[in-house]
Amino acid sequence: QKEVEQNSGPLSVPEGAIASLNCTYSDRGSQSFFWYRQYSGKSPELIMSIYSNGDKEDGRFTAQLNKASQYVSLLIRDSQPSDSATYLCAVQFSGGYNKLIFGAGTRLAVHP
Amino acid sequence: DGGITQSPKYLFRKEGQNVTLSCEQNLNHDAMYWYRQDPGQGLRLIYYSQIVNDFQKGDIAEGYSVSREKKESFPLTVTSAQKNPTAFYLCASSIEGHLLTDTQYFGPGTRLTVL
Repeated sequence: QKEVEQNSGPLSVPEGAIASLNCTYSDRGSQSFFWYRQYSGKSPELIMSIYSNGDKEDGRFTAQLNKASQYVSLLIRDSQPSDSATYLCAVQFSGGYNKLIFGAGTRLAVHP
Repeated sequence: DGGITQSPKYLFRKEGQNVTLSCEQNLNHDAMYWYRQDPGQGLRLIYYSQIVNDFQKGDIAEGYSVSREKKESFPLTVTSAQKNPTAFYLCASSIEGHLLTDTQYFGPGTRLTVL
């Protein structure tokens, strides 16, 4: 069974710190990885996508991918209270159409 | 404005009723999806469509039906056969559904409650 695992949290960090969110997946053939942010009661919004091993940076966000370890992470630098949300990891599993499997999400709480 | 709209925002259903959730997009995307989200769980795929007049079952299609008569529209019907329909329903779309870089974007969602 194809799975995406995330620590449910909450992950609590002080304002200005680095938040590190982690995700592991079961299908070694997976090619595409996505991080979505979901505020309470709202729909997910795309933060970043990553397809190659290594780091990808976009503003305060850095996605890291290690396909050999089947591990993808999201770092949020200079965390702000407005970053408090649930972060969903989504993995496109190999074979066929763009089927995304979502993790249950990690709740992040940034406190002043 | 380009985007995905869903209506209604909140929907209440009595036992035994069928209800239809609307999803419209003006992004000119070929692929559209329906997901269900329950508290503390990830999104689960109900149905998807990669082209007009074609759709496929996802992981939890039982008790649901869809149609794709127009590129812009992908309505979801929650039938009385769905035993536990109370959930947050999310519609998404993507450019074409096959490319490695194809990315799904979500509408605002419909929260369905069974009375």
